[in-house]
Amino acid sequence: RKEVEQDPGPFNVPEGATVAFNCTYSNSASQSFFWYRQDCRKEPKLLMSVYSSGNEDGRFTAQLNRASQYISLLIRDSKLSDSATYLCVVNGDAGNMLTFGGGTRLMVKP
Amino acid sequence: GAVVSQHPSRVICKSGTSVKIECRSLDFQATTMFWYRQFPKQSLMLMATSNEGSKATYEQGVEKDKFLINHASLTLSTLTVTSAHPEDSSFYICSARDLADYGYTFGSGTRLTVV
Repeated sequence: RKEVEQDPGPFNVPEGATVAFNCTYSNSASQSFFWYRQDCRKEPKLLMSVYSSGNEDGRFTAQLNRASQYISLLIRDSKLSDSATYLCVVNGDAGNMLTFGGGTRLMVKP
Repeated sequence: GAVVSQHPSRVICKSGTSVKIECRSLDFQATTMFWYRQFPKQSLMLMATSNEGSKATYEQGVEKDKFLINHASLTLSTLTVTSAHPEDSSFYICSARDLADYGYTFGSGTRLTVV
């Protein structure tokens, strides 16, 4: 079983739609959680950290459920520029290395 | 914000030659740098963790004699792919961890093609 699992997609949605991505992780001792965005042939960029209480940044909302070892990302009012691969990333119990999920590809269409 | 400079961005080399990739933190100190490899349509896979002044820690299945890592200073780590083969063609990305706030910053990646 992979340490961090995501549905690869692609998710094809129209502009303005709301879309949600899920991610599960296997290491219950994981301490920190992130969503990264990666555009084609580019490096990943931090989208947002995920906190236990849930957090929001504009159109993006991230949630964490430690009991179920589950992380989610909700994007409201999708824009064309949101088209990218979204990577669920977990920082393990060693507190040092990041483990990446396989990514979920989002394509927002006009 | 924190910037990590990675060079070269793209390199094509002949089979059997060696290629060196540099990763430099420009405005912060990084005791730990990470090297990832990403094959097409796959996620980033950690290759090794490099700590300043000590030997790198390699992930299972990554040959340390083939992928030489040097982290001689708090701002520079290098990855040398020795005796490159076509199957080493991939996107290599470094990441540096800021000593001050423990944030991770990624380099822009190096696309290696071995012909």
